Amino acid sequence: GQNIDQPTEMTATEGAIVQINCTYQTSGFNGLFWYQQHAGEAPTFLSYNVLDGLEEKGRFSSFLSRSKGYSYLLLKELQMKDSASYLCAVSDYKLSFGAGTTVTVRA
Amino acid sequence: DAEITQSPRHKITETGRQVTLACHQTWNHNNMFWYRQDLGHGLRLIHYSYGVQDTNKGEVSDGYSVSRSNTEDLPLTLESAASSQTSVYFCASSARGPTEAFFGQGTRLTVV
Repeated sequence: GQNIDQPTEMTATEGAIVQINCTYQTSGFNGLFWYQQHAGEAPTFLSYNVLDGLEEKGRFSSFLSRSKGYSYLLLKELQMKDSASYLCAVSDYKLSFGAGTTVTVRA
Repeated sequence: DAEITQSPRHKITETGRQVTLACHQTWNHNNMFWYRQDLGHGLRLIHYSYGVQDTNKGEVSDGYSVSRSNTEDLPLTLESAASSQTSVYFCASSARGPTEAFFGQGTRLTVV
């Protein structure tokens, strides 16, 4: 099975940086995904890590350490539209999700 | 453009009734998944399929069933709806292997 932990809520100021941590214990691993979900909408793909290290995509970066069972999502230059839930998911071909982290961006 | 669609978007049903939620994708993806999302639990996997005639149980499969007769569709059936099955249901699909999954817009089901 999968055990995936991430903080429930985080609050940050517009223009700031926020780091969302995710730890996991899994029986199988083919990669780690991050999804964004705005209230009332479907999750949308943000990033994918299968090897250790940092993947950067514009204002969003994701890091993976397979030996530590650890990932983080870094959101830079926060904007109001970044207020959403961020879901960490581990793949063993099917995706298992953490409970999600709700990020609130304040002006 | 390829897409994944769910129907209905909202449904209210009575306890004990059989309910089927539809999921249709035009990505030609092999993998299809059904999740439910409840406050405090995130997305939990109900059933999944890796291809036609293949179905597998997820972590919360009791009271649900699926069938995969073609590539495009994976309907989810609640055999006898219970109030505990009130939730938002998401269907997703992905290509073969650990690739990103695309989600439908969700179905909000209320069992009264």
